[in-house]
Amino acid sequence: KNEVEQSPQNLTAQEGEFITINCSYSVGISALHWLQQHPGGGIVSLFMLSSGKKKHGRLIATINIQEKHSSLHITASHPRDSAVYICAVDRDNYGQNFVFGPGTRLSVLP
Amino acid sequence: ETGVTQSPTHLIKTRGQQVTLRCSSQSGHNTVSWYQQALGQGPQFIFQYYREEENGRGNFPPRFSGLQFPNYSSELNVNALELDDSALYLCASFYRGADTQYFGPGTRLTVL
Repeated sequence: KNEVEQSPQNLTAQEGEFITINCSYSVGISALHWLQQHPGGGIVSLFMLSSGKKKHGRLIATINIQEKHSSLHITASHPRDSAVYICAVDRDNYGQNFVFGPGTRLSVLP
Repeated sequence: ETGVTQSPTHLIKTRGQQVTLRCSSQSGHNTVSWYQQALGQGPQFIFQYYREEENGRGNFPPRFSGLQFPNYSSELNVNALELDDSALYLCASFYRGADTQYFGPGTRLTVL
């Protein structure tokens, strides 16, 4: 069993839809990161969470430490949101034990 | 634009050769991590450097080595290349204690 799992693996949505990507993990962590990877490889860090909820523009990330679960929400999705979204956990807050999930491939159709 | 650059963008090598990949971090970023991402998979942690010393290593053999320099640049060296080393290599830098890492665009290595 992978230490970090994501669902769904692939997601296709129509422009404007509300999107949720889920992440669950089985190890103790100091922080959880949501990352966005566009075709061609570039990774952008979206959020780092250790508790609660964060919002940036149309993106919202939540984490439930007790349930070892996090969600990334995209409101009013747009084709430019099409990318792979990766959940990664940091076991010690220093990046030495960074474990990545398999990613969720999102396609937003116009 | 993350302020982290990597070179080269693409590289083709043959089995058994050696390769050096480079990463230039933002000024002040005292920590750099290197990751290997095979096609269709998530990144795997290779190692991390903090203040020019190796400070954590993933499940990679010793032929993967690195250096971090005082000017916030770093290198990943891979000796005796194998076909399975073909992947996207990503570096990420940050100031320890900050709440985010900044990823470079990656170097795509192909081993023939």
